[in-house]
Amino acid sequence: EPEVTQTPSHQVTQMGQEVILRCVPISNHLYFYWYRQILGQKVEFLVSFYNNEISEKSEIFDDQFSVERPDGSNFTLKIRSTKLEDSAMYFCASWEETDTQYFGPGTRLTVL
Amino acid sequence: EDQVTQSPEALRLQEGESSSLNCSYTVSGLRGLFWYRQDPGKGPEFLFTLYSAGEEKEKERLKATLTKKESFLHITAPKPEDSATYLCAVQAFVGQGAQKLVFGQGTRLTINP
Repeated sequence: EPEVTQTPSHQVTQMGQEVILRCVPISNHLYFYWYRQILGQKVEFLVSFYNNEISEKSEIFDDQFSVERPDGSNFTLKIRSTKLEDSAMYFCASWEETDTQYFGPGTRLTVL
Repeated sequence: EDQVTQSPEALRLQEGESSSLNCSYTVSGLRGLFWYRQDPGKGPEFLFTLYSAGEEKEKERLKATLTKKESFLHITAPKPEDSATYLCAVQAFVGQGAQKLVFGQGTRLTINP
């Protein structure tokens, strides 16, 4: 069974601090995504990434957010200066056109 | 704008009591409709992908169907371990590119023993 992995499982940070969330997508997938889910709300799209560049981003994904694929396996989401409202579960997903979008277990981000 | 609405928001059944969950959608051009299961504090777990009206897929006690405007997830003789939130999502076909998923708010299913 293919698997997306994410680290850390839980991140606690102070408001204004930078955080980096890490993901290892499925190895033969080419499209990568970040979604987030605020407690009790819908899963919502943040950004998609293909061929080493952002393919699409939502209104949520402002200048405080960035993504990177620093090597052949990792995919990261950086939040430069966290706000209280950034507290949520962050999910990484990967996709290959003949397959489905698989999600990782998530990182719970708590901003104090 | 692509939209997904799921009903009911919550459903409580007795073990063995069959029922259906609904997912209504509007999308510019449907590439695929996805059903996921989500347990508390976990990531969405893939169940089914449906691509065209009339398509049906089954897995154990679950069966998903698709029409041009909605999808149903039928659950037959459920067990307590089927308790979870079931998410529906659509992926629009917009040519090349990493098409995102648009999710509904989910149906929280509880199966009482």
